[in-house]
Amino acid sequence: SQTIHQWPATLVQPVGSPLSLECTVEGTSNPNLYWYRQAAGRGLQLLFYSVGIGQISSEVPQNLSASRPQDRQFILSSKKLLLSDSGFYLCASTTPGTRNTIYFGEGSWLTVV
Amino acid sequence: RKEVEQDPGPFNVPEGATVAFNCTYSNSASQSFFWYRQDCRKEPKLLMSVYSSGNEDGRFTAQLNRASQYISLLIRDSKLSDSATYLCVVNRDSSYKLIFGSGTRLLVRP
Repeated sequence: SQTIHQWPATLVQPVGSPLSLECTVEGTSNPNLYWYRQAAGRGLQLLFYSVGIGQISSEVPQNLSASRPQDRQFILSSKKLLLSDSGFYLCASTTPGTRNTIYFGEGSWLTVV
Repeated sequence: RKEVEQDPGPFNVPEGATVAFNCTYSNSASQSFFWYRQDCRKEPKLLMSVYSSGNEDGRFTAQLNRASQYISLLIRDSKLSDSATYLCVVNRDSSYKLIFGSGTRLLVRP
């Protein structure tokens, strides 16, 4: 099965500061990669997904962006954080041809103050 | 209408009870269905995939009803450790976009 490394695990950032969350995947090749956000007490919202290097699909308009510089690396960024960006961010991966079973990283808790 | 809808609960049941959750989805082209379990402040973990013929894993049974566009999860003989939020996951348009329901919270009491 896949292993997903995601960091940092926790961060507190001031409004207007930049953000970079990084995710790497082991145990598979050519994965589909995802960034989800979960606000407190809410469900998971799909932010971005990628089917290959440099291919990013955005689900919702926002001040976040994603990049995939390598096959198993996925990065979530922001130039200027908003208070509403606070939440639990999850990187996830699926391998085509495996019934889309999704594996998650341990998540990153972001608090914007 | 949301793409994937779940009753948020909470479902508060005694140990040993049988409890069932449903999840409805809006896109008839969806092909992949899953139940995930999420503990507080943790990442979701796969509980079981849902197959067309239905499937069972110990105390857990999942069913798919394509005609009515819903999936279900049945938990028999509930344990205290079953207390968690159960998330339904459906892919959109037979694509790789996996959409989560907002989850159903289960509380199992002694």
